[in-house]
Amino acid sequence: AQKVTQAQTEISVVEKEDVTLDCVYETRDTTYYLFWYKQPPSGELVFLIRRNSFDEQNEISGRYSWNFQKSTSSFNFTITASQVVDSAVYFCALSDLTTDSWGKLQFGAGTQVVVTP
Amino acid sequence: GAVVSQHPSRVICKSGTSVKIECRSLDFQATTMFWYRQFPKQSLMLMATSNEGSKATYEQGVEKDKFLINHASLTLSTLTVTSAHPEDSSFYICSAREDRARSPLHFGNGTRLTVT
Repeated sequence: AQKVTQAQTEISVVEKEDVTLDCVYETRDTTYYLFWYKQPPSGELVFLIRRNSFDEQNEISGRYSWNFQKSTSSFNFTITASQVVDSAVYFCALSDLTTDSWGKLQFGAGTQVVVTP
Repeated sequence: GAVVSQHPSRVICKSGTSVKIECRSLDFQATTMFWYRQFPKQSLMLMATSNEGSKATYEQGVEKDKFLINHASLTLSTLTVTSAHPEDSSFYICSAREDRARSPLHFGNGTRLTVT
């Protein structure tokens, strides 16, 4: 069975501080995708990243960066120099790559990020 | 880019009535779509997998007679909440995958259902 754990329920930071969101996953599959989504108060899911289990390279996109460590089953997300617009709930998710299951996401509980001016 | 349109974005209905939510892929074919439910301050939970031309596959604990899913074409899946009750009030969101291996996933903007 798959499981995604986001242990941090809420993180509050002051603008310009860095914030790191933890994600630990469990799966029996050898190939899978990991995702991060942002959910602002309006509710829609904003796609941030998709990472294949074969690709352990860290990635940076603007103020966002991701650290994927297969050895510890973690896929952590860092926002550098946070801004008020970063306030949202962030979800980590997992999907295996079998034909029938691809796209079926197992979401973590989510982490509420609050950035104050 | 590919877009999934979900309607309505908000709906309020009276207890005992039925509500239909549409999820439409606008510029790609989606043999498979997924329906999720999100209660306030909780995560998204998969309700069912919608397959074009066949019966939906429901997750454990989801009542298939209450949440009717129809995927009659390659671009449209509908979720009907039948005999809605206040406890069905939730945020419902669909996603669609393109019909090619490891294709992107596309989410609709969600439907906020309030049952009074």
